[in-house]
Amino acid sequence: GAGVSQSPSNKVTEKGKDVELRCDPISGHTALYWYRQSLGQGLEFLIYFQGNSAPDKSGLPSDRFSAERTGGSVSTLTIQRTQQEDSAVYLCATLLTSGTEAFFGQGTRLTVV
Amino acid sequence: KNEVEQSPQNLTAQEGEFITINCSYSVGISALHWLQQHPGGGIVSLFMLSSGKKKHGRLIATINIQEKHSSLHITASHPRDSAVYICAVGEGNTPLVFGKGTRLSVIA
Repeated sequence: GAGVSQSPSNKVTEKGKDVELRCDPISGHTALYWYRQSLGQGLEFLIYFQGNSAPDKSGLPSDRFSAERTGGSVSTLTIQRTQQEDSAVYLCATLLTSGTEAFFGQGTRLTVV
Repeated sequence: KNEVEQSPQNLTAQEGEFITINCSYSVGISALHWLQQHPGGGIVSLFMLSSGKKKHGRLIATINIQEKHSSLHITASHPRDSAVYICAVGEGNTPLVFGKGTRLSVIA
């Protein structure tokens, strides 16, 4: 596609439910990041995929969070047993390769009630 | 891990003023990004720098690799420039590290 696409754009879920967030990167982009941005806060790194290398999961806040990237393209971020503190905007960014321009999706606004 | 500091955190300017936002980082990098986020909006990339200076319209970005410092300048500022400006740095295949952002308000 022309840009990074994230879905859904908004998600309201009940505490304790699992959610899946999707990121469709720009075709050919090998680097993919997941970040989250809580209200009024900066960007918090979650996970980074680069080509076929093992992902850098050092930013995942707990084992309730996981992500995968199938075939080096689409990525899904899964949050199990959601908590209210998980409420944030989840952003996906992709780069052609490290050291090139970053392109961001519009984000998924997750609200846990 | 790279530490990224932006200054100022908040900035209010009158329309037409020249604006400078600064970014310092602690570890050598291969690329520095300046990003813009409008209220309630997505993040867009303004510049990606590895050396020197880039200009796009009224925006100018410079980087001094030796001093580990970059500046984003806005000439003839306009209310539509009001946004959060974010600096991010990367080294090789390590994840981008973001500054906390500078919130700019330009008043007509």
